[in-house]
Amino acid sequence: EIVLTQSPGTLSMSPGERATLSCRASQSVSSRYLGWYQQKPGQAPRLLSHGASSRATGIPDRFSGSGSGTDFTLTINRLEPEDSAVYYCQQYGSSPRTFGQGTKVEIK
Amino acid sequence: QITLKESGPTLVKPTQTLTLTCTFSGFSLRTTGVGVGWIRQPPGKALEWLALIYWNDDKRYSPSLKNRLTITKDTSKNQVVLALTNMDPLDTATYYCAHGAVYFDYWGQGTLVTVSS
Repeated sequence: EIVLTQSPGTLSMSPGERATLSCRASQSVSSRYLGWYQQKPGQAPRLLSHGASSRATGIPDRFSGSGSGTDFTLTINRLEPEDSAVYYCQQYGSSPRTFGQGTKVEIK
Repeated sequence: QITLKESGPTLVKPTQTLTLTCTFSGFSLRTTGVGVGWIRQPPGKALEWLALIYWNDDKRYSPSLKNRLTITKDTSKNQVVLALTNMDPLDTATYYCAHGAVYFDYWGQGTLVTVSS
């Protein structure tokens, strides 16, 4: 089973800043099969990106994913108050399709 | 437009079996490449992948819960059913179903299931 470790646990940022979220896998994620989700309180997760760097439908280009192998990054440019949420990575290159423990982004 | 909705009991007793139904629209589980998965989230905690069923009836389970989980589909009703046996208070969580054979691009609203005597 691939274990995903996300860091930092919490990120406190100001509007307009850039946030960098990390997701590290315990073994290589095949074919860059990694996705990112955003979850706001009381809501279901929303897919942000897949294939490590492909944005999902309707996601602003402020969100960008990158990485390969065991190290992946979600970058959020020009932070807006609405970006306050918990962000999860998920690998789907092997079964079980595991999630990371999440990074909480707080907007000051 | 793809939608999914979970239904089932909100309260179960320890040792009972939980049965949840995911009713969906906007796609068919007869279509090649389609899958529906179940994910849960204990209050205040992270997402946990549980199970996945494919259009061809292939199934995948979380190894830690494999002995307790069963996922099935009824393509005529556009439903996927998840059964989890021997429920424990640690199984208290919001249970989501979601569309996707790999990543999940559409999610249900989730249903909170509490395990308590």
